[in-house]
Parts: sequence; C-alpha cells; structure tokens
Amino acid sequence: QQQVKQSPQSLIVQKGGISIINCAYENTAFDYFPWYQQFPGKGPALLIAIRPDVSEKKEGRFTISFNKSAKQFSLHIMDSQPGDSATYFCAASVPISGNTGKLIFGQGTTLQVKP
Amino acid sequence: DTGVSQDPRHKITKRGQNVTFRCDPISEHNRLYWYRQTLGQGPEFLTYFQNEAQLEKSRLLSDRFSAERPKGSFSTLEIQRTEQGDSAMYLCASSLAGLSHEQYFGPGTRLTVT
Repeated sequence: QQQVKQSPQSLIVQKGGISIINCAYENTAFDYFPWYQQFPGKGPALLIAIRPDVSEKKEGRFTISFNKSAKQFSLHIMDSQPGDSATYFCAASVPISGNTGKLIFGQGTTLQVKP
Repeated sequence: DTGVSQDPRHKITKRGQNVTFRCDPISEHNRLYWYRQTLGQGPEFLTYFQNEAQLEKSRLLSDRFSAERPKGSFSTLEIQRTEQGDSAMYLCASSLAGLSHEQYFGPGTRLTVT
C-alpha cells in the first residue's frame, strides 16, 4: 500500500515536444506529491510539488496534474529541451513523527530529449 | 553554496570495514533525513531527525547502521561491518519546520563495498 507506481520506465521525446510521466498510488494517507529530477551522479533536485486538494499546478514548463479520485498524478514537461534529459522520480509523502513526512519514490523514468 | 553538502562524495571500502558519512543540512533547516538509493531505483527512506532527536527509523536500517545528529546541525551515518549489499548512494535531505514538506537533497555519498 505504500508503493508508488511510475510509468513509463523510459521515454524518448523530440525537442519541443511534450513529455508525460504518470504515477499511481493506493495509500490515501499520502498528503504531498513532489517530482524530482536527477542527473547522473547527482542528488535528486525538487522540481515541483502538489497537495491533494489541488488538481493542477504549473511552474514554467512543468505542470502536475492530480486526480484524487483515480489516485493518479502526472508530470507534463512542455517544450522539452535536450537539457531536460534526466531521470524523473515521482514521490508521495506519508506522515511520520514530528509533523513531517517520509517520501516514497516511484521507480523513475529516464527521459531522453532528442535535438 | 548554501545547499545540503555531503562528505565524502565517494567511498570504496572492503567488506567488513566500518564507514562513516557526514551530512551538513541547509542552514536553519531543523529537519534532516537519510535515504539510500541503489542503481536504477528511487531513493528509500532510512531515518529522520528533528533537531537532535531521531524520530523515525526504517526497518531497512539494520543494527549495523547508526545515525546521529548530536547538536542538531550536521549528521553522521555509520555502517559497521559493511557488506556488498550496502553498496549504494546514500542521500541526505533537509527541510524547514512548518507546513512545507519540501525536502532538499544533497549530492550523495556513493559507497562501493568490495
């Protein structure tokens, strides 16, 4: 129940195209849903995040769409650029002691944007 | 650089040796987390500190693992009697107390056990 399932495992998009990565969860206790971008040899970098009471959040070229009833959320990268080529992780936060949460990560999606 | 820092960035050790990693969180972040990431997988939660108190530990954290945050600032993660299965990237993250759940990760320490 504490899993987050992410798809696809890998994605190839042409420059200027839209990249879409999907995640699904079962645990209704999750209260925060971030997306992270990770380059080889680096730590994950927070991209954008959403809470379950919001259906969509946009920051620049990145948009999260959230469907609470379906327990699904997705990341859309508009106008994808070669510099966006990286591994993307969705995550969900489950509350723990100290009024915070521990992140449960999806398996990751390797995005390649072709010039 | 005011981000999360970790030291060392890489560590190669022989099976059975002890290793210790250090994490310095973002200044004024009183929440500190350790995660472990194996190749091709997402990070997995290990433990959480609020100030100097360790409030949460994962079942992944066996008896050979110990973490401390003695003065509520930097933290150390020690692995005793390392095994080949301990080879992974060890990530530290920090966040600010409050309503935000935003966790900011450091560059990680890559551990290779031979």
